[in-house]
Amino acid sequence: AQSVTQLGSHVSVSEGALVLLRCNYSSSVPPYLFWYVQYPNQGLQLLLKYTSAATLVKGINGFEAEFKKSETSFHLTKPSAHMSDAAEYFCAVSESSGYALNFGKGTSLLVTP
Amino acid sequence: ETGVTQTPRHLVMGMTNKKSLKCEQHLGHNAMYWYKQSAKKPLELMFVYSLEERVENNSVPSRFSPECPNSSHLFLHLHTLQPEDSALYLCASSQDRPSGSHEQFFGPGTRLTVL
Repeated sequence: AQSVTQLGSHVSVSEGALVLLRCNYSSSVPPYLFWYVQYPNQGLQLLLKYTSAATLVKGINGFEAEFKKSETSFHLTKPSAHMSDAAEYFCAVSESSGYALNFGKGTSLLVTP
Repeated sequence: ETGVTQTPRHLVMGMTNKKSLKCEQHLGHNAMYWYKQSAKKPLELMFVYSLEERVENNSVPSRFSPECPNSSHLFLHLHTLQPEDSALYLCASSQDRPSGSHEQFFGPGTRLTVL
């Protein structure tokens, strides 16, 4: 089964600094990859998705991610962190067949003034 | 209403109670999902319905019973739960393959506490 690994359960950045959240996937076929964000006491909101089109994917709120097949990675970045970016971020991979979205354990992003 | 809605948002129940969680999607999707989100654990897929038929059941205890009366509504019936069942229960929907883009849209969740 396809899976994702998120390196770092907690990441802390200063306001205005670069945000980098890491995600590596395991897959024997081209995957569909997603980043979701979860704010406290809310559900998951889709930030962006990779579906085998452009390898650099732009999402909402200034986030983007690059699909690198050679590194089996799909890291999430944002050039300048904002206080409102503090949340839990989940990377997920979709199997080519079936219905499962396999989620990573999540990375909690803290943004300090 | 837009997107995916869930009611109630919070639920406290005793181990002998029977309750139901409700999910409704307003996106015209034809697949719906229940997930369990516990502290310090990855999201766990519980049930999947596609075109109102259950297509996956990931070894979920029988004290959880799903129901999908139509493509817009999904229920999770609860009975004789255990304290370890306390969690955030998330509902999601998607457009089924092959035309779908695989992305799932989530509701806000029901925070369940079992005493």
